[in-house]
Amino acid sequence: ETGVTQSPTHLIKTRGQQVTLRCSSQSGHNTVSWYQQALGQGPQFIFQYYREEENGRGNFPPRFSGLQFPNYSSELNVNALELDDSALYLCASSPDYSGGWQFFGPGTRLTVL
Amino acid sequence: AQTVTQSQPEMSVQEAETVTLSCTYDTSESNYYLFWYKQPPSRQMILVIRQEAYKQQNATENRFSVNFQKAAKSFSLKISDSQLGDTAMYFCAFMIIQGAQKLVFGQGTRLTINP
Repeated sequence: ETGVTQSPTHLIKTRGQQVTLRCSSQSGHNTVSWYQQALGQGPQFIFQYYREEENGRGNFPPRFSGLQFPNYSSELNVNALELDDSALYLCASSPDYSGGWQFFGPGTRLTVL
Repeated sequence: AQTVTQSQPEMSVQEAETVTLSCTYDTSESNYYLFWYKQPPSRQMILVIRQEAYKQQNATENRFSVNFQKAAKSFSLKISDSQLGDTAMYFCAFMIIQGAQKLVFGQGTRLTINP
């Protein structure tokens, strides 16, 4: 069974650019959540997708958007990058009736210059 | 709003010792889960232990156990017989059962196990 995977591992962008991060959920998991983890901080919830619909959103501006595909993989898109967007972006997947269990991927390290 | 507070930014113990990490949280909800996650230098967040708020019995997973005090909104993690591989950032997290399964994390405690 393959766990949660994320791509790319790391990338560097400049301010004002756009970026797309990808996440493949664990087999059988239909819920994907995205978190932003700034250096030295705990992760912050960005949003969650359940069966291709947004199922909850944290306190992030609309330039953070996402998608979930029929195979339950997901994308996080960030437009008009700002320096403060530099962070580790974590994706987590979970199945129905998981009792709160979320399984995290290794993350994508984004650096905005 | 729910908040999670970890008051110990860093801790350090010798291998084989027992260590306790503290966590407090604030919520007006009655049904929720509490978690401890471990994040080693590899960055991947690993679930250590989970507690359901409606269960009075403290959760245990091998060398890891929790002390859950619901009235005090306290949720500490005890690691027994600590090992070098336990060196990591430890995050306490909270999740309301209703609605989106959103984890609210604390700031983390950096735990170092010394040989």
